Amino acid sequence: EVQLVESGGVVVQPGGSLRLSCAASGFTFDDSAMHWVRQPPGKGLEWVSLISWDGTSTYYADSVKGRFTVSRDNSKNSLYLQMNSLRAEDTALYYCAKGEQWVDHWGQGTLVTVSS
Amino acid sequence: EIVMTQSPATLSVSPGERATLSCRASQSVISNLAWYQQKPGQAPRLLIYGASTRATGIPARFSGSGSGTEFTLTISSLQSEDFAVYYCQQYNNWPPLTFGGGTKVEIK
Repeated sequence: EVQLVESGGVVVQPGGSLRLSCAASGFTFDDSAMHWVRQPPGKGLEWVSLISWDGTSTYYADSVKGRFTVSRDNSKNSLYLQMNSLRAEDTALYYCAKGEQWVDHWGQGTLVTVSS
Repeated sequence: EIVMTQSPATLSVSPGERATLSCRASQSVISNLAWYQQKPGQAPRLLIYGASTRATGIPARFSGSGSGTEFTLTISSLQSEDFAVYYCQQYNNWPPLTFGGGTKVEIK
């Protein structure tokens, strides 16, 4: 069974930094592209980032480009999202998600709140 | 960026009735479209990819159709567990991958 478990979400001040993690199991992690998708409270889904199976290719939404960095450690079956220069509008539930271009499995999310 | 527009925003349907949800793309996405279901307090779940291919374990009452810029998700006979928010997502022209704003299917 595919399992994706996010962690690292907290309350952080504007301008601060945070690193999210996602522990993956139940599938061949180093064969799979991975995404981060976020959902502000009460709102819809927004794609954030995608990383290729080997980490050599990364893609970002314009809203986070230059501030967020996606990475992975295939030896640890783990996905990461380094978030810098956080803004109030980054407040959201952040999902780790598996898939090439569509998402076939989602984690339960970790909540990031940017507030002073 | 391709903009995805879903309609209606809310659909009121009685159990057992058919629900028809629409998704429109600002330019052609061919058949590179997925549908997701999200229940309150839960992560989204993949229903359909390739515009019409059901994901593993998805009941046959869910069907997707369309190509180009116009797509439809049909739930043939709504069950109680189908009341949820539904999102479409294009993956033809990316980054970015883009989602529609969602359609909430509620009990009439």
